[in-house]
Amino acid sequence: DAGITQSPRYKITETGRQVTLMCHQTWSHSYMFWYRQDLGHGLRLIYYSAAADITDKGEVPDGYVVSRSKTENFPLTLESATRSQTSVYFCATTGLYSNQPQHFGDGTRLSIL
Amino acid sequence: KNQVEQSPQSLIILEGKNCTLQCNYTVSPFSNLRWYKQDTGRGPVSLTIMTFSENTKSNGRYTATLDADTKQSSLHITASQLSDSASYICVVISGGSYIPTFGRGTSLIVHP
Repeated sequence: DAGITQSPRYKITETGRQVTLMCHQTWSHSYMFWYRQDLGHGLRLIYYSAAADITDKGEVPDGYVVSRSKTENFPLTLESATRSQTSVYFCATTGLYSNQPQHFGDGTRLSIL
Repeated sequence: KNQVEQSPQSLIILEGKNCTLQCNYTVSPFSNLRWYKQDTGRGPVSLTIMTFSENTKSNGRYTATLDADTKQSSLHITASQLSDSASYICVVISGGSYIPTFGRGTSLIVHP
């Protein structure tokens, strides 16, 4: 399903570097989300966006920055990467109604050395 | 604090057998409950969504139940297949928001 695409799929970087993870959707869904998934934890919400130019913090926003200038794109930036940010990052989208499913990308596996 | 607890943490069954996964939640107010399947290396995929008034919902061999009074849900898999090997995640959405609370998942392995 090419409706939501994350890039890159894998990324290795060093502590202190800035890194941006990309998320692109073709459905024009209103809502977009960023999650991280770590062993021993469920998926945890980092940031979400209800529409272009509207973003809000989730459960674990520290160290991350998001923007949404266009409906279809929702990049996630780690301004100064730390080892604790090594994780698998998932982007998801959903429509206007809260009973609609979230559609997830296949994730970006990020390793910070 | 909103919480979703899943059990068991992991489960191994033989192909063709049935199994049931459990989910207990303390999310309030409640909007809906979802079950997702996550294959290794892939993003979660929605199986079912149930609102407060729905007791049962099926998707092929997957049947989810919801008891809103006891705040419990189950996912029953019938006649398991090797392709059912995955992590199954229970998610509860708070009323009036889109913010989900995720369980940690049940890892299911189906052996031939």
